[in-house]
Amino acid sequence: KQEVTQIPAALSVPEGENLVLNCSFTDSAIYNLQWFRQDPGKGLTSLLLIQSSQREQTSGRLNASLDKSSGRSTLYIAASQPGDSATYLCAVRMEYGNKLVFGAGTILRVKS
Amino acid sequence: EAGVVQSPRYKIIEKKQPVAFWCNPISGHNTLYWYLQNLGQGPELLIRYENEEAVDDSQLPKDRFSAERLKGVDSTLKIQPAELGDSAVYLCASSLNSLDTQYFGPGTRLTVL
Repeated sequence: KQEVTQIPAALSVPEGENLVLNCSFTDSAIYNLQWFRQDPGKGLTSLLLIQSSQREQTSGRLNASLDKSSGRSTLYIAASQPGDSATYLCAVRMEYGNKLVFGAGTILRVKS
Repeated sequence: EAGVVQSPRYKIIEKKQPVAFWCNPISGHNTLYWYLQNLGQGPELLIRYENEEAVDDSQLPKDRFSAERLKGVDSTLKIQPAELGDSAVYLCASSLNSLDTQYFGPGTRLTVL
């Protein structure tokens, strides 16, 4: 059974700092990996999607990397802003069954 | 373009009462998902529809939960009777097909007293 773990569970940083969120998964038979953002009382918004054959994806200040063989992904946020405060969720899509398996998320707070 | 619409946004009921949630997916999306999200956890899939057909309902507690997607568009998720442990956020998502990016609605927050 696939298990997705996110570290740290919570993170508080001053504005302007660069930060890294970590995601690990136990079964490397994944189709892709996705990072989502969830604001309080809101649904999930997709940030970046990395196919299993790719190593990284970038969007603005966000960069996500994937090391499929070691079961790890990182989300790098450059020059953090208070508006980045949210919960960040990592999810892997399995090769079999098309199922998305989520981690528990990292709660990020960027202080102004 | 409108996103995934869910209603109600919040629902408070007493245990043993029935409750229903409604989801309207993005127009043209064939695949629809219902997820359960407990506090401090990631979403967990309850059921996935391809058009009208439920193709993955292995995680749906069938003794009290039921779902339907008539005409392959809107969907309803029902709980009868509700238990205290059902308090959670119920998220609906849709995608063009089962391999495409999923778009999530805002969720329904259920509180069972």
